[in-house]
Amino acid sequence: KAGVTQTPRYLIKTRGQQVTLSCSPISGHRSVSWYQQTPGQGLQFLFEYFSETQRNKGNFPGRFSGRQFSNSRSEMNVSTLELGDSALYLCASSVTGGGNTIYFGEGSWLTVV
Amino acid sequence: AQSVAQPEDQVNVAEGNPLTVKCTYSVSGNPYLFWYVQYPNRGLQFLLKYITGDNLVKGSYGFEAEFNKSQTSFHLKKPSALVSDSALYFCAVRDGASGSARQLTFGSGTQLTVLP
Repeated sequence: KAGVTQTPRYLIKTRGQQVTLSCSPISGHRSVSWYQQTPGQGLQFLFEYFSETQRNKGNFPGRFSGRQFSNSRSEMNVSTLELGDSALYLCASSVTGGGNTIYFGEGSWLTVV
Repeated sequence: AQSVAQPEDQVNVAEGNPLTVKCTYSVSGNPYLFWYVQYPNRGLQFLLKYITGDNLVKGSYGFEAEFNKSQTSFHLKKPSALVSDSALYFCAVRDGASGSARQLTFGSGTQLTVLP
């Protein structure tokens, strides 16, 4: 069974640009969540989608947005990039919430210059 | 609100010795507790979880963790450490009582180094 797949794995963007990251969850998983990992702030929750609906959102500015498609694939978008947005963005999927295991992808490394 | 504390940024242990990585948590309801490991330039790999039942949970690669409700702790343990266990370890919690708190809250991570 394939794991959580994230694309692209590495990307470099210029300040002010926007970026879209993609995530394909494990087959059968309907919950997709996104996390940002930085050396200073650690792992922080961005948002979670279930059946195309955002169920929960972390404390990030409106420049960070996401969506989920009917096949459970998800994208997140960051507009007007800032240097501080440089981070590892991790996508995770699970069957649903509660005690179900959340599985993570390898992440997308974003560098903003 | 839910929170996790990993009091040690760094743990060093000799190969073959037992290892412990500490984690304490705070939630308003029943905790769902998880341990993940991260190798350099990789994502998070699931090790084990506690949802309910037996307080001693066994997971991947010989790791286990003990849930202690009175001390609100969920320490990760392994009887005999391997050099290949060297990595960054994260404890995470999800509040089982709150329908809105579906996200995981992570600790700050503990860098484990196993010395040959």
